[in-house]
Amino acid sequence: DVKVTQSSRYLVKRTGEKVFLECVQDMDHENMFWYRQDPGLGLRLIYFSYDVKMKEKGDIPEGYSVSREKKERFSLILESASTNQTSMYLCASSPRGPGGQPQHFGDGTRLSIL
Amino acid sequence: AQKITQTQPGMFVQEKEAVTLDCTYDTSDQSYGLFWYKQPSSGEMIFLIYQGSYDEQNATEGRYSLNFQKARKSANLVISASQLGDSAMYFCAMRERGTDKLIFGTGTRLQVFP
Repeated sequence: DVKVTQSSRYLVKRTGEKVFLECVQDMDHENMFWYRQDPGLGLRLIYFSYDVKMKEKGDIPEGYSVSREKKERFSLILESASTNQTSMYLCASSPRGPGGQPQHFGDGTRLSIL
Repeated sequence: AQKITQTQPGMFVQEKEAVTLDCTYDTSDQSYGLFWYKQPSSGEMIFLIYQGSYDEQNATEGRYSLNFQKARKSANLVISASQLGDSAMYFCAMRERGTDKLIFGTGTRLQVFP
């Protein structure tokens, strides 16, 4: 089975801090994704990476950056955390290519910015 | 722009009954894929079922089936013989053209009662 592991289930940080959310997958997938989930808004894509060192902005990239130095690891960075970034963050991975390959998700990180 | 609409914020169903969760989509592409995910209160996203736009048969996976009506652009999830463990959020998603990204709906919260 595909395993996507997020470093923390719960995280509390203060405004202005630099925050790192880590995600590791063990299935050699080319694609990795970071989503933000808020009530009533569903999942919104923050950033997407289709290969090592490659990244693409999603729908809501402002205030975030990402890093993918190794194929299995995709990091989300909040450069200067703000209270409006309090949310559930979900990481996912998938193989590249057409067809019905689903994205596989981690358990999520509930981030609170105080 | 491609879009997924889930019009039911919440649904109730009695145990052992069937329930249909609605999903409509908007795309001008001929080739696309539709996914359903389940998210229990614990937070992880679980892939349930996939339907390709060229698939002639409706997809089925155990108690889950997808009622795919291409002309109406709908891809409703049918859960037969509901169980208490089916209580969760359910998300419909569509693969975006030319990439491996998914567009998600806002979700439907299903509650199964005894």
